[in-house]
Amino acid sequence: QVQLVQSGAEVKKPGASLKVSCKTSGYTFIGYYMHWVRQAPGQGLEWMAWIDPNSGNTNYAQKFQGWVAVTRDTSIHTVYMELRRLKADDTAVYYCARAIGYSNFDSWGQGTLVTVSS
Amino acid sequence: SYELTQPPSVSVSPGQTASITCSGNKLGDKYACWYQQKPGQSPVLVIYEDTKRPSGIPERFSGSNSGNTATLTINGTQAMDEADYYCQAWDRNTVVFGTGTKVTVL
Repeated sequence: QVQLVQSGAEVKKPGASLKVSCKTSGYTFIGYYMHWVRQAPGQGLEWMAWIDPNSGNTNYAQKFQGWVAVTRDTSIHTVYMELRRLKADDTAVYYCARAIGYSNFDSWGQGTLVTVSS
Repeated sequence: SYELTQPPSVSVSPGQTASITCSGNKLGDKYACWYQQKPGQSPVLVIYEDTKRPSGIPERFSGSNSGNTATLTINGTQAMDEADYYCQAWDRNTVVFGTGTKVTVL
């Protein structure tokens, strides 16, 4: 069955960087776009970016351009999201989500809680 | 940028029908999908491409999309359907989520 397993919770100081991983199994890795979505405490879902694991092409929400980077390692079927220059309001749960079609997210990771605090 | 607006909350009695709307400019020209999210859990896709149900999603969930509004309908609402619901659409190579609706089963 399809599984997306994310790396564990992180606590970071403002200005630091962070890399969250999403290890996949149970399907053809290069056959499906992977997206990143975040959810601040008590707030709604916010789309961040997608990557085509086959080509490595990416696209980012305008808000995240320049300080978020999504990459993949096809040899280990894993997608990564790096956030730079963290701020307190980046505190959120970060999800990876597999897309059927372009953006129907049929499988989600368990979420990674990132806390940014001095 | 494109925006999708949902009512903050909807209340429904058990066994009744809940309707959740999602409004966006010419939304009917795009595909809409819907997610259910319970506290502390990852979202679950309940409707995609306006009307399709993924396997394992009960038949009481249905969707429609026309004009500027997509609608998620839950027929015969059960207590287990109490959750937050988000619509979503694909616009110019990016993803847009709705503002979210909390469904309360009274």
